[in-house]
Amino acid sequence: EDQVTQSPEALRLQEGESSSLNCSYTVSGLRGLFWYRQDPGKGPEFLFTLYSAGEEKEKERLKATLTKKESFLHITAPKPEDSATYLCAVQASARDRGSTLGRLYFGRGTQLTVWP
Amino acid sequence: DAGVTQSPTHLIKTRGQQVTLRCSPKSGHDTVSWYQQALGQGPQFIFQYYEEEERQRGNFPDRFSGHQFPNYSSELNVNALLLGDSALYLCASSLVSSAIQYFGAGTRLSVL
Repeated sequence: EDQVTQSPEALRLQEGESSSLNCSYTVSGLRGLFWYRQDPGKGPEFLFTLYSAGEEKEKERLKATLTKKESFLHITAPKPEDSATYLCAVQASARDRGSTLGRLYFGRGTQLTVWP
Repeated sequence: DAGVTQSPTHLIKTRGQQVTLRCSPKSGHDTVSWYQQALGQGPQFIFQYYEEEERQRGNFPDRFSGHQFPNYSSELNVNALLLGDSALYLCASSLVSSAIQYFGAGTRLSVL
């Protein structure tokens, strides 16, 4: 069964203290891996999509990387406004029999708090 | 350019009642997916609609049903509400040719 596991569940950082969030996955043929940011009471906001091992994407203080089994979201010199829950999701490839093209499998998220 | 819009934002119902949630996709998008997010959990896939048909369904009972209209908007219906149906219901839209799904702000459903 397709699964996504995120760690840690919660992370507290001081402003400027860089760190990484982990997302490990098992899926029968990866079509894409997605990172979203979710603020309390809001819907997930799309950040990045990665399609193949070795791919990297950057946006401001965030950088996402992908290997065959996991993805990392690196946060460099975070600010308090980066505080949110970061969700990882995967989508299976259409080439696999019985694939569930279209649906996203989400992890439980990492709740990040950055204090001044 | 309007993003994904959902209505209502909040809803309170009692056990056994029925509820309808609505979603308008992002402009130009033709596919709508619905997710349920319980407190402290990641979103769980309910179903996906394309060309007014349910294309995929997650592990949810038949009490959950949906519809997509010719203008691509969608409804989620839940019958015989249970306390455990209390959650944030999220709508996501996409292009059938793209893997990226964009989410609305959600409808917070409380079942008493």
